[in-house]
Amino acid sequence: DTAVSQTPKYLVTQMGNDKSIKCEQNLGHDTMYWYKQDSKKFLKIMFSYNNKELIINETVPNRFSPKSPDKAHLNLHINSLELGDSAVYFCASSGDRGPYEQYFGPGTRLTVT
Amino acid sequence: GQNIDQPTEMTATEGAIVQINCTYQTSGFNGLFWYQQHAGEAPTFLSYNVLDGLEEKGRFSSFLSRSKGYSYLLLKELQMKDSASYLCAVRVEYGNKLVFGAGTILRVKS
Repeated sequence: DTAVSQTPKYLVTQMGNDKSIKCEQNLGHDTMYWYKQDSKKFLKIMFSYNNKELIINETVPNRFSPKSPDKAHLNLHINSLELGDSAVYFCASSGDRGPYEQYFGPGTRLTVT
Repeated sequence: GQNIDQPTEMTATEGAIVQINCTYQTSGFNGLFWYQQHAGEAPTFLSYNVLDGLEEKGRFSSFLSRSKGYSYLLLKELQMKDSASYLCAVRVEYGNKLVFGAGTILRVKS
């Protein structure tokens, strides 16, 4: 019954490593998003895909690369992890009818040591 | 630029009414959302305003004045479970891009 799911829930890794976070939604939504929530709890959009097409690409280091194999999945790959990448990463999705509210996954807490 | 301001923290008593304000200055406006986020959990959708006025949803109401760049979330009959962070977010022009405020931490005391 999970609407938006993410794996893993926790990720602890060392600087310089490469890691991926996976997201899946079973709501039949067309649009998916990645957000970063930093230690000050500020939630900021990173990317958005609509039907596998990238539509929002904020000013994010190119070490971050999203991939959408189909409209139900949106993965985030991060190369050469840095200390400043430590945050909670949320995936979200929204449908094609107003008000287009976004449904968030449970988050992935990434800690880079 | 995008600027969304909310109070950092508020405290209220169980059973009372609390109003959380949000002011915004954004490059575009296509609606304002309120989300609730409990500690360690995902944000969940509470309300949406795109026209001026009040939207009521049970114990929660949200108000919008586009000319003033102002919104508030009103929580009535406060319960302990309402202790959470409340995020104001503006949908700006393209895509379904939401710009979030930093959130208001509400503490409900007995």
